Amino acid sequence: DTAVSQTPKYLVTQMGNDKSIKCEQNLGHDTMYWYKQDSKKFLKIMFSYNNKELIINETVPNRFSPKSPDKAHLNLHINSLELGDSAVYFCASSLGRGQKNTEAFFGQGTRLTVV
Amino acid sequence: KNQVEQSPQSLIILEGKNCTLQCNYTVSPFSNLRWYKQDTGRGPVSLTIMTFSENTKSNGRYTATLDADTKQSSLHITASQLSDSASYICVVSASYKLSFGAGTTVTVRA
Repeated sequence: DTAVSQTPKYLVTQMGNDKSIKCEQNLGHDTMYWYKQDSKKFLKIMFSYNNKELIINETVPNRFSPKSPDKAHLNLHINSLELGDSAVYFCASSLGRGQKNTEAFFGQGTRLTVV
Repeated sequence: KNQVEQSPQSLIILEGKNCTLQCNYTVSPFSNLRWYKQDTGRGPVSLTIMTFSENTKSNGRYTATLDADTKQSSLHITASQLSDSASYICVVSASYKLSFGAGTTVTVRA
């Protein structure tokens, strides 16, 4: 069974569209994350939720809105897509917050291409 | 300035050779440091994790070291294999926030 799964794996869309990426984890973790990996392969955190509560919100445009219906899901909705949004988006989860030996488990990534 | 700096940015080694990757960090307070391996087109996978009191940790041919005083870590790959070709990312945890390095891309050639 896949621990952290995100869909779709590939997403090609036109500028101005609205799209969503879904993420689910079956590890029983409390904390979930969304990361953006740019063309230089640098991973940058966007959001983090702990038990459905937003705990990290880095400087991300308002067009990006995370939704956590329960602690096993953290979906990412993007409005009015722009060319610069093209990247690989990774969902991750970890056990609790402030815990030692916290390991983040990553999904396979969603490659978003805006044309 | 990024709180986790990795070097070199990339390196090429011959199969069977050893190599060492470096990670310097300024993240504080420090919880743990982890090395991840990311194969092309995949998500990162954890290799090792070290807390403040640990100096070295091995996982097969991968050995990580940590000097919490100087805030430096290294990842040593022994007897490299073609499957070691990947990006290696240093991640430092401070409480619930993870800070990522930009990664070192390793290419192993036959």
